[in-house]
Parts: sequence; structure tokens; C-alpha cells
Amino acid sequence: GENVEQHPSTLSVQEGDSAVIKCTYSDSASNYFPWYKQELGKRPQLIIDIRSNVGEKKDQRIAVTLNKTAKHFSLHITETQPEDSAVYFCAASSISEKLTFGTGTRLTIIP
Amino acid sequence: DAMVIQNPRYQVTQFGKPVTLSCSQTLNHNVMYWYQQKSSQAPKLLFHYYDKDFNNEADTPDNFQSRRPNTSFCFLDIRSPGLGDAAMYLCATSRGQLNIQYFGAGTRLSVL
Repeated sequence: GENVEQHPSTLSVQEGDSAVIKCTYSDSASNYFPWYKQELGKRPQLIIDIRSNVGEKKDQRIAVTLNKTAKHFSLHITETQPEDSAVYFCAASSISEKLTFGTGTRLTIIP
Repeated sequence: DAMVIQNPRYQVTQFGKPVTLSCSQTLNHNVMYWYQQKSSQAPKLLFHYYDKDFNNEADTPDNFQSRRPNTSFCFLDIRSPGLGDAAMYLCATSRGQLNIQYFGAGTRLSVL
């Protein structure tokens, strides 16, 4: 089955700086890669996703890059703000309705 | 407006006393999922329904059961809750394969 590794497990950045979270996956058939943000005590919310037919996708301050050859994808948050503090999960899916989640990254933005 | 609704938000039960958690959706999605999430961990898939087809994860204990009487509703039954079953239970829905999963707000289960 699919295995998704996520790094780092914790990340602290100064407000205004950029944050990068990286994930690797094992199943070369995976072709859908969402990122979820989960604030304390709240539901996971999709912030951006990418499919295997593109290498990069951007939405305002958030971008995701995908390297299918290397089987890794990354989340980039620029101009970080205090409200970006949360736990971020990457996930991967192959020809299936199931997602395999990474272990999560706790991002703290330091004012 | 909430599209995936879970009730109750907080549930307290006693060790061994059956409990049912509910999930409803207004999205008319054909896939519904139940996840267990413990503190500081990723959501762990317990099972899911693809339309009426039930798909159990290999490592989901027999203590956990599910029912989906219609497209809109799905229930998680825990037959004999143990202390280790205390967790957040998340329901999610999606429209078929490789589509966005929308999560409910979750039910936090405490076992006394």
C-alpha cells in the first residue's frame, strides 16, 4: 500500500518568512496530492491540491510543487502570518477513493 | 453553512457501554468515510462506503461497525468502547475517486 512520509514534524518561522513542508510517497500510481490545514480542535480543511498532470500550483501565498520522478511534493507558504499557525497534513491517493496521510507538521509562526 | 454535520460534538460514555456517532451530509456525495484521530496524529481511516459498498480497513478492530441507511447519513457504532478508543472521530465525504474530501467538525469521544 501507499506510504507517505512528511518532514519536518515541527517548524517555527518568523512572521513574514517562508515555510516549506516536504512529503514523499511510495506508490508511483498515486496521482492526487492534497494538503490539509488543521487548527487546534477543528476539522482538517483542504488548502490546496495538485494532480499528477501538473508540476506546480499556486493560490495566493500558498503553492505546491510535485516531482513525480522523485515521488515527492512540497507545500510552500510565503509571507507567513500568525493565522498560518496550525498542523498541516499532506496526503496521497492513487486510483482509489482513499487518502493516505502524512504524519503532520506543526507550524508555529513567531510574531 | 456546514455541509458535513456530525453529532454530537462531544460524547462521553462509560467503559463497555455502546455508543453511536452520526454524520450527515448535504453534498450528495457518494463516498463517506470514518476516521479516528488521536492527539497529534494524522487521521486514521477506519472504513468507508462507496455508494452502498462497505470497505473496512484491515486493521480496524471488530469493535467498530458502521451503517449507511441512505446517501445522506452514516453512523459509527462502537460496541464496547475501551479507554483506548477515546479520540476525535471525523466523518468525511467525497464525490467518487480522486476528489476532495470534506470533513465534518468531528465528535470528541471520552471513555470513563
